[in-house]
Amino acid sequence: KAGVTQTPRYLIKTRGQQVTLSCSPISGHRSVSWYQQTPGQGLQFLFEYFSETQRNKGNFPGRFSGRQFSNSRSEMNVSTLELGDSALYLCASSLTGTSGTNNEQFFGPGTRLTVL
Amino acid sequence: AQRVTQPEKLLSVFKGAPVELKCNYSYSGSPELFWYVQYSRQRLQLLLRHISRESIKGFTADLNKGETSFHLKKPFAQEEDSAMYYCALILMDQGGKLIFGQGTELSVKP
Repeated sequence: KAGVTQTPRYLIKTRGQQVTLSCSPISGHRSVSWYQQTPGQGLQFLFEYFSETQRNKGNFPGRFSGRQFSNSRSEMNVSTLELGDSALYLCASSLTGTSGTNNEQFFGPGTRLTVL
Repeated sequence: AQRVTQPEKLLSVFKGAPVELKCNYSYSGSPELFWYVQYSRQRLQLLLRHISRESIKGFTADLNKGETSFHLKKPFAQEEDSAMYYCALILMDQGGKLIFGQGTELSVKP
């Protein structure tokens, strides 16, 4: 089975721009979660989508948004980028999501976003 | 507030020595805890979960509700165990939000 894929792997943007990151889950997985990883804050939960619906959301401003398509692929969008948004963005897929019984998260390689 | 604490940023041991990576949590609900591991240049992956009560790669972790801990242990460390280890907690009363500790880097020296 192919693993979770994320595109692009690296991005450089300037303050004020917006960015869209993409995540393709493992085939058959209906849940996609997004995390932000920084040296200072560690791994922080952004949101989870399940069957095209946002099921859960972390404590991030509204500039961070996402969506999930019918094929379970997910996108994350960050608008009006700030320097502090520089981070590794990880997505993870699972069969049932974290609240289900098959809740093991399978992580992608991440997208490294640098905001200048 | 819900929290996962890994007090050691770096743990360095010699090959063959026992290792214990500490994890403490703060959560009023019924905890479901995991250990995730990230080897160099690899993805974050699940190592073990407390409900499975299994030993993976010689590692075990026991949930101690009294001490609110979920420490990861291995009796004899191997060089290939060197990695970043993250303790994680599912907040079932918040829709299954997954929160992570800050991680502990384990370095096993020959």
